[in-house]
Amino acid sequence: NAGVTQTPKFQVLKTGQSMTLQCAQDMNHNSMYWYRQDPGMGLRLIYYSASEGTTDKGEVPNGYNVSRLNKREFSLRLESAAPSQTSVYFCASSENRGTLRGQYFGPGTRLTVT
Amino acid sequence: ILNVEQSPQSLHVQEGDSTNFTCSFPSSNFYALHWYRWETAKSPEALFVMTLNGDEKKKGRISATLNTKEGYSYLYIKGSQPEDSATYLCALETDSGGGADGLTFGKGTHLIIQP
Repeated sequence: NAGVTQTPKFQVLKTGQSMTLQCAQDMNHNSMYWYRQDPGMGLRLIYYSASEGTTDKGEVPNGYNVSRLNKREFSLRLESAAPSQTSVYFCASSENRGTLRGQYFGPGTRLTVT
Repeated sequence: ILNVEQSPQSLHVQEGDSTNFTCSFPSSNFYALHWYRWETAKSPEALFVMTLNGDEKKKGRISATLNTKEGYSYLYIKGSQPEDSATYLCALETDSGGGADGLTFGKGTHLIIQP
């Protein structure tokens, strides 16, 4: 039982390049989330998927797109990376939106955009 | 944008002492209040999720209380140990009418236990 996995762990991009961050969970959770962590800021929600087939914007969605590929996988795409998107990205999952067991977080992807 | 505030920002505590810190949040559309522990080089781990005003939860030496009417939660650690050193995050979950929204996190309280 791996929990929540993310790939890659590290990535360096040039401004304007695109990439997809991958996230998968093996806990049969319905809800999945993408956050970014910046120095001096709390974790900020980018997008979430309450259930397979649905996605919703969070606090900071601009510059990102998401795909809930199936129940296990939720990817985050940067179409044209900008230096402001340099951050650590965390994927999380939970049984359902509003569960009382909290969210389970992946190990994070450290992204640098030059 | 919801404002979830945690204080203090950082805290040094002697091993064996007890400590507490605060999370304050807006009361409107309240659904739940989460606490997470985030150790260096690891991912955040859920400690508690509380929904009811007056709720109190406990896990070992760590406990938390919730006041939804005035918009605050306290996290208490009794008899601090070096392994308690971590950043403690609180997060507000709201429901604006369509079911629970995502979490809005505070910036955390960074706790250092000194032997």
